[in-house]
Amino acid sequence: EPEVTQTPSHQVTQMGQEVILRCVPISNHLYFYWYRQILGQKVEFLVSFYNNEISEKSEIFDDQFSVERPDGSNFTLKIRSTKLEDSAMYFCASRPGSSTMNTEAFFGQGTRLTVV
Amino acid sequence: AQKITQTQPGMFVQEKEAVTLDCTYDTSDPSYGLFWYKQPSSGEMIFLIYQGSYDQQNATEGRYSLNFQKARKSANLVISASQLGDSAMYFCAMREGHTGNQFYFGTGTSLTVIP
Repeated sequence: EPEVTQTPSHQVTQMGQEVILRCVPISNHLYFYWYRQILGQKVEFLVSFYNNEISEKSEIFDDQFSVERPDGSNFTLKIRSTKLEDSAMYFCASRPGSSTMNTEAFFGQGTRLTVV
Repeated sequence: AQKITQTQPGMFVQEKEAVTLDCTYDTSDPSYGLFWYKQPSSGEMIFLIYQGSYDQQNATEGRYSLNFQKARKSANLVISASQLGDSAMYFCAMREGHTGNQFYFGTGTSLTVIP
């Protein structure tokens, strides 16, 4: 069964450093997402991406963040100048390009980012 | 206003019993979809069940069913015959048809199944 793949599963970085979280969405999907979940808290929307551009972003997704689809398979989230409060589980998700509502988002296993 | 509200931070249920996890939502979009996800302790998000705003019948998927009350804007998840493996966080989510792509998540309910 196709799945969304995220690497690495755990990333430890020093405050102020840049990190890139990588995702390989399901191959025929057209909508891509990044969400984050601070430990034990709610799942927060960061950004959605469609047709090679950002379609929606939240207030969290400021200039510190960027996304890229560098080739036909990868979807990356870059976090510049990381802060302690960026420590969270980051989920990538994708869904098909259907116009119907009944298409769920398929989530990856997540990358646990720890900023020290 | 919160798009999705889950008022039960934690729930306990006896094995083999049924349990209802509450979810209310807020939208003015007539077209929307409601989703439930399960997050076990390992962290992944597993899709369970979907209910569309125009669906006439409550969704069912194995032991999962959705008690959809459109006028009350509620979409409660019912798990029948609970199993120990059902112990997890459960998130209700919504996507609106005309106003965006994102899925709005609730704060989740932690379910513990007691043997």
